[in-house]
Amino acid sequence: DIQMTQSPSFLSASVGERVTLSCRASQNINKYLDWYQQKLGEAPKLLIYNTNNLHTGIPSRFSGSGSGTDYTLTISSLQPEDVATYFCLQRNSWPYTFGAGTKLELK
Amino acid sequence: QVQLQQSGAELAKPGSSVKISCKASGYTFTSYYISWIKQTTGQGLEYIGYINTGSGGTNYNEKFKGKATLTVDKSSSTAFMQLSSLTPDDSAVYYCARGVRVMDAWGQGASVTVSS
Repeated sequence: DIQMTQSPSFLSASVGERVTLSCRASQNINKYLDWYQQKLGEAPKLLIYNTNNLHTGIPSRFSGSGSGTDYTLTISSLQPEDVATYFCLQRNSWPYTFGAGTKLELK
Repeated sequence: QVQLQQSGAELAKPGSSVKISCKASGYTFTSYYISWIKQTTGQGLEYIGYINTGSGGTNYNEKFKGKATLTVDKSSSTAFMQLSSLTPDDSAVYYCARGVRVMDAWGQGASVTVSS
């Protein structure tokens, strides 16, 4: 199975700050990489699919990039409502696998 | 609007089975596959498998073969996942989600606790 490694595990940032979360795959996943946001007590919510496609209704401060094995989720200006855990998911090879998540908190 | 409503929390004994439901509304049920995902504190998120809601065809993560059985009832727009031979390692929150390539709507999750 493809292993997905997210870094950092925890991140503390201030409102308005630019935030970058990383996800590294154990092999090339050909940009089949999605990002999900999970707030406490809620189900995950799709943010970005296929590396850089913003899902409907997601604010434009969220963006994704990457290729090969290395992928990034960027929040251009952190808002209080962005406090959550963020997961990456690879869909290049079965079984699809998630990263362990980055927990984002406000400083 | 698109909604996936899952059944409630389950408390089950080791060795028993549970069946979780996921009722879809707000869209044509058979136009989208249903995926199932397991979440635990220790193992994080794991993709169990998915079902073609039109044909009933399934694809399972090897890890969950023999553990999870996915079915659908098209007449009620409901997907089901049965978990068998339960052990404490099966204690988790289980989610259904619409789609496979893009999971754009999720159920609220169903908590399963396995304890004697």
